[in-house]
Amino acid sequence: KAGVTQTPRYLIKTRGQQVTLSCSPISGHRSVSWYQQTPGQGLQFLFEYFSETQRNKGNFPGRFSGRQFSNSRSEMNVSTLELGDSALYLCASSLVWSSGANVLTFGAGSRLTVL
Amino acid sequence: DQQVKQNSPSLSVQEGRISILNCDYTNSMFDYFLWYKKYPAEGPTFLISISSIKDKNEDGRFTVFLNKSAKHLSLHIVPSQPGDSAVYFCAASLNNAGNMLTFGGGTRLMVKP
Repeated sequence: KAGVTQTPRYLIKTRGQQVTLSCSPISGHRSVSWYQQTPGQGLQFLFEYFSETQRNKGNFPGRFSGRQFSNSRSEMNVSTLELGDSALYLCASSLVWSSGANVLTFGAGSRLTVL
Repeated sequence: DQQVKQNSPSLSVQEGRISILNCDYTNSMFDYFLWYKKYPAEGPTFLISISSIKDKNEDGRFTVFLNKSAKHLSLHIVPSQPGDSAVYFCAASLNNAGNMLTFGGGTRLMVKP
């Protein structure tokens, strides 16, 4: 079956702009999580959605937001981009939202460069 | 405050030998620990996990050991193969926090033929 699909794979923006990233989870998976990977901070949790509701949020400013649609597809948005937002943004899906024992399946990521 | 740490940024091992990747954590409330492997230009892929009520879990060439008193876990790969060359991340989760994982910074493993 198809894996987690993230679009676009690469994009370049300038400071002050906004960006929207898309994630299509594995068919049947209802939980979608977003992570930011940077060389200095590693992989950091952004937020998680299940049944169109945000279930958890990481320690990121309000410029970072997301949503989930009824078909479980998810988008994340970053407004007023800063240079430090340059990162690989990873989406992961899971069948359910429950204990931390669930295995996450990650997409290949969207690499954002802010100039 | 990094709750999960991988103190070795890189590790080089000869093919056929054992690779040992280490991970330390500070939050004693973590319930599950997972290891993910990441190749360049790909997302992390799940490798193996362990519940906090166990001290060892094996899956083929991969074994994870958990020492709760030391807040330390390790991943053993025996025997190591060149295809194991990747970045390995340990991650931890809380039982009541859904799928939120706290990751370590990663260790780059290089297995030399």
